[in-house]
Formats: sequence, C-alpha cells, structure tokens
Amino acid sequence: AQSVTQPDIHITVSEGASLELRCNYSYGATPYLFWYVQSPGQGLQLLLKYFSGDTLVQGIKGFEAEFKRSQSSFNLRKPSVHWSDAAEYFCAVATSGTYKYIFGTGTRLKVLA
Amino acid sequence: SQTIHQWPATLVQPVGSPLSLECTVEGTSNPNLYWYRQAAGRGLQLLFYSVGIGQISSEVPQNLSASRPQDRQFILSSKKLLLSDSGFYLCAWSPTTGERTEAFFGQGTRLTVV
Repeated sequence: AQSVTQPDIHITVSEGASLELRCNYSYGATPYLFWYVQSPGQGLQLLLKYFSGDTLVQGIKGFEAEFKRSQSSFNLRKPSVHWSDAAEYFCAVATSGTYKYIFGTGTRLKVLA
Repeated sequence: SQTIHQWPATLVQPVGSPLSLECTVEGTSNPNLYWYRQAAGRGLQLLFYSVGIGQISSEVPQNLSASRPQDRQFILSSKKLLLSDSGFYLCAWSPTTGERTEAFFGQGTRLTVV
C-alpha cells in the first residue's frame, strides 16, 4: 500500500533562514507527488506538484521541491522563510491505479522573528 | 471555475447524537469526491472516496458512513457520535477527465463531540 512519511512533526526556523521539509513515500511505480499548506482552521492549499519531467519543481510563495527516485523522497525547500510561512505542511502521494490521495502526518512550521 | 462548499464550519454535538456533514462541488461534472479527517498528530486520514453516484469506498472501519445521492454532493453521516469522532473534517474533489491533477479542498468542518 502507498504511504507517506514526514519524519519531522515540528520545525522551528528563524525568519530569513532556509527551510527544508522532508517527505518520503512508498510506492512501486512513479507516483504523483504534492505539497500542500494549511493555515490554522483552514482547508489545504496546493504549493506544488510533480507528475513527470524535471525533478525540480517550482511552486507558489517561493517554494520548490525535488523528486529523488533513488531515495523515494520529495523534500520541500525555501531559501528564505517569511513569518507568514508559519503553517502546517503536508506531503501527499497519488497513484495512477487509484483515485486516492494519501497524506503524511504533516510538519508544523514555526517561524521566529 | 470550480468551487467546493462544505458546511457547517463548526459543530458541537453531544455523544450519541446523529451527524450529517454536507459537501457540494460546482463547476464540474462527475468529480471524484473524498472525506478526510484530521486529528491532532495524525495528519489527514482518508475516510471515504467516491468515483460516482452511489459508489462509495471506505478506507477506515469506523462509526461513520458516506453517501453520494447526487453527482456533486457528498454527505458524511453518523447515527450515534462518539467522543473519538471529534476532529476536523475536510471534503475534497478531483477531476476524472483530462490529465491527473491535485485534489481540491473545502474549508473544513470542526466537529467537537461533548
């Protein structure tokens, strides 16, 4: 069965520092990969997605992610974090054989001024 | 453009009472529909998904059920709520035609069972 692991439950960074959120997936074939962001009490907003092609994908709000097949990873990065980036981030995987989207447990980001 | 509506936004219900959460999608036809639950520390847990009217797949055995009486309507129900049903419930949809894309989420319902 497909699964997603986000090993960091909480991450705290200073404003202006770089950020990397980890995501590992389990799936036999090439998956569809997503990163979403959730502000408190809100729904989820898509940051970026990977389906095929260039393994480095750019998203909204200055985020990027890199797909590494050999490591089954899809880590999210941002070179300089802003206070408004404080939120919860979810990695998700979807497969071509089903219509399901499987999410990780999320990483809560705190940004220090 | 497509929009997804989910209501109510907040709900406080006593243990043993029934539940009905509704989700509708506008601007598309025959979407895939999903119910997720978000509990503290457990991420988004897929509860049900539907690929068509009357077609419901259950992912987690529990006290909840789902129905899809119309093409763009998805309802989450319970006959008797448990304390453990508390959480943040999210409805989502994805298109069934064209290239595969992401799921689009509603704003969620915060359910507190007391």
